Amino acid sequence: EADIYQTPRYLVIGTGKKITLECSQTMGHDKMYWYQQDPGMELHLIHYSYGVNSTEKGDLSSESTVSRIRTEHFPLTLESARPSHTSQYLCASSGTTDYNSPLHFGNGTRLTVT
Amino acid sequence: QKEVEQDPGPLSVPEGAIVSLNCTYSNSAFQYFMWYRQYSRKGPELLMYTYSSGNKEDGRFTAQVDKSSKYISLFIRDSQPSDSATYLCASRQGGSYIPTFGRGTSLIVHP
Repeated sequence: EADIYQTPRYLVIGTGKKITLECSQTMGHDKMYWYQQDPGMELHLIHYSYGVNSTEKGDLSSESTVSRIRTEHFPLTLESARPSHTSQYLCASSGTTDYNSPLHFGNGTRLTVT
Repeated sequence: QKEVEQDPGPLSVPEGAIVSLNCTYSNSAFQYFMWYRQYSRKGPELLMYTYSSGNKEDGRFTAQVDKSSKYISLFIRDSQPSDSATYLCASRQGGSYIPTFGRGTSLIVHP
């Protein structure tokens, strides 16, 4: 089982609040990713990082931001939560060697914005 | 057209059946193909990982890629209730770290 941890597992929060979803991995992977997953839909890439101080937007940035100050840590921040942000957020990482490295996922944060 | 198409199901089979899960893709540049299994309230876990065309077997699971028809399959032999999950296929290009995922197929194996 991959060592990638997401907290909190579940979060219910009111509209307009600022929230940070945490993601940490202990595998030393340099690449990390945030995906949004809705029931029955494809995983949508929100942000990704190829290393410390490197962040890129995916095809669904969803008014969120990320930071990568440490290799093992890749938090996702929503400055002002809206009901449309209600979804499951999955963090993933992949290894350093070459393009053959597949993604390893955490168990997700299920966010509900009321 | 989505780059990776997958029937969401659900697919319901009796225990012991052979299961066939399928995806099609449109991007000819895809070279790496993956199957992930996702249990309820869990993250996807890598099940099979193949490069280019051909078959790969791991226990009861066989992944098959036919690049000529852009078709990806996962076969599960002697299916078990514990195989009940959502199966996501994914593909990516050589030179890219980021895969494109299908919607996932929900599989139910009933005793």
